[in-house]
Amino acid sequence: GNSVTQMEGPVTLSEEAFLTINCTYTATGYPSLFWYVQYPGEGLQLLLKATKADDKGSNKGFEATYRKETTSFHLEKGSVQVSDSAVYFCALSSGGGNKLTFGTGTQLKVEL
Amino acid sequence: SAVISQKPSRDICQRGTSLTIQCQVDSQVTMMFWYRQQPGQSLTLIATANQGSEATYESGFVIDKFPISRPNLTFSTLTVSNMSPEDSSIYLCSVIGVNTEAFFGQGTRLTVV
Repeated sequence: GNSVTQMEGPVTLSEEAFLTINCTYTATGYPSLFWYVQYPGEGLQLLLKATKADDKGSNKGFEATYRKETTSFHLEKGSVQVSDSAVYFCALSSGGGNKLTFGTGTQLKVEL
Repeated sequence: SAVISQKPSRDICQRGTSLTIQCQVDSQVTMMFWYRQQPGQSLTLIATANQGSEATYESGFVIDKFPISRPNLTFSTLTVSNMSPEDSSIYLCSVIGVNTEAFFGQGTRLTVV
């Protein structure tokens, strides 16, 4: 079956530090890959996505590249801000039906 | 985009009782999804709610415990039946918009005591 593995948190960084949150996946076929973000007190929001190999999703300074050879979709940002503090979920959809399989989530805390 | 309204936003319930969660979408959608997010864990799909037919449940979830209604293309309910403390979770409604983007409600935080 499908599965998503992402690094455990919490991850604590200083403002303007570089961020990497690792995500690897197992899936049949050719999944679409997503990063969702959950800010404190809010619902999940799509941050970025990639639908085929070598695609790069980007939004709000965050990027992730769909690497089929390493089955990875690592999230990166060059300079984090306090407002980026949230829980980040890696997810995939595969095989039709639009069902999402989520990773366990990584809490990011950015401090001044 | 789709705007999803979920009610209630939170509740504290006695064990053995049932709670019905409502999900209203501002546009017509074919499929609606119900997820559970247990404390410290990821989201797990409970079932897919189809209009005009029975919901499709994922492994480990059964209709008797989580009955779902889908009376029209903009509304669904999930009932958590005969609750126990292990049912304490956040329950989320989700729909798929154009371009395969999933939209989520803000969730219902359930505590069973």
